[in-house]
Amino acid sequence: LAKTTQPISMDSYEGQEVNITCSHNNIATNDYITWYQQFPSQGPRFIIQGYKTKVTNEVASLFIPADRKSSTLSLPRVSLSDTAVYYCLVEDTGRRALTFGSGTRLQVQP
Amino acid sequence: EAGVVQSPRYKIIEKKQPVAFWCNPISGHNTLYWYRQNLGQGPELLIRYENEEAVDDSQLPKDRFSAERLKGVDSTLKIQPAELGDSAVYLCASSFGQTPDTGELFFGEGSRLTVL
Repeated sequence: LAKTTQPISMDSYEGQEVNITCSHNNIATNDYITWYQQFPSQGPRFIIQGYKTKVTNEVASLFIPADRKSSTLSLPRVSLSDTAVYYCLVEDTGRRALTFGSGTRLQVQP
Repeated sequence: EAGVVQSPRYKIIEKKQPVAFWCNPISGHNTLYWYRQNLGQGPELLIRYENEEAVDDSQLPKDRFSAERLKGVDSTLKIQPAELGDSAVYLCASSFGQTPDTGELFFGEGSRLTVL
């Protein structure tokens, strides 16, 4: 069972770049790494997914080192609307389902 | 295109009463998930369907929880009887194919249950 560890909370200011690192030491060869964002009273929303190296989309970048034991979600120039909980997930190959941890609460200040 | 639709959004019941939640996934999505999210925690999987077949229900408390997905489209999650500890948000999600390499999960807004 691939388990993830990420900081409980982070604070930032508008316009700054935010990097959230997730540790997944037991990641398996076929596992993908996925990040979700959740606002209060809403379901989680997909942000980005990757297997290795770097993935970038219009919202974020995902950096994955060669050993794949960690990953970093990078949010460029955050705004107040980026205040949310961010979840790092690694596919549970035994159960073939996404397992959420407790996430990282990002608070963006003006 | 409509997203995942859940109802009701909120439900308050007394303990020992039954409750049911309904989910309509995105059209064409063959995989449907029910998650439960307690306050301050991440969602935890209760059951996963591939079409009409429940392929993973290992975390579903079968003594009081039941689910069905007739015809492989809509799904209903039922709790009978409800206990105080069942107070949580029940999230439904759907995806096309099996995650993660075939697509992302799309979540509904959830059904918030309060058991008094």
